[in-house]
Amino acid sequence: GENVEQHPSTLSVQEGDSAVIKCTYSDSASNYFPWYKQELGKGPQLIIDIRSNVGEKKDQRIAVTLNKTAKHFSLHITETQPEDSAVYFCAASKSAGRRALTFGSGTRLQVQP
Amino acid sequence: NAGVTQTPKFQVLKTGQSMTLQCAQDMNHNSMYWYRQDPGMGLRLIYYSASEGTTDKGEVPNGYNVSRLNKREFSLRLESAAPSQTSVYFCASILGQGASYEQYFGPGTRLTVT
Repeated sequence: GENVEQHPSTLSVQEGDSAVIKCTYSDSASNYFPWYKQELGKGPQLIIDIRSNVGEKKDQRIAVTLNKTAKHFSLHITETQPEDSAVYFCAASKSAGRRALTFGSGTRLQVQP
Repeated sequence: NAGVTQTPKFQVLKTGQSMTLQCAQDMNHNSMYWYRQDPGMGLRLIYYSASEGTTDKGEVPNGYNVSRLNKREFSLRLESAAPSQTSVYFCASILGQGASYEQYFGPGTRLTVT
């Protein structure tokens, strides 16, 4: 089955700096790669996603890049703010079959004011 | 439009007790999922239901059963709770057809088994 690895497990940045979180996946059939933000005591919230026919997608301060050949994808947050502090998860799934997500182990991002 | 709702929010069980976690969605989604989240790990799939009337196992199904009661509701049952089932449980749903991939998650149920 699919295996998703995520790095780093913790990341501390100064407010205004950029943050990058990286994930690799194993199943070349995976074609959907979402990123979720989870705040304490809440369920995961989708913040951005990308499909395998696209190399990059941007939404204001957040961007995701995908390298299908190398099987890795990354989340980029620019101009970080204290409210960006949370746990971020990458995930992968494929359109065939159950469309269930395989998650990475998460990155705890701390933005220092 | 409440999205995905879960009850209860918190539960404490003794080893051997049983309970059912409830999940409902009001988005007319076809597919529903149950995940568990353990400290330092991502969410892992327990069971899923591709459509009303169907269920199938995920990565970690042992010790659980599910029921897709109707299109809206998908319940998770622990018949004889064990300490290893202490976790946070999330329900999710997806339209499940065409180009729709986005999964919507409920707020979770925090379960402790002593």
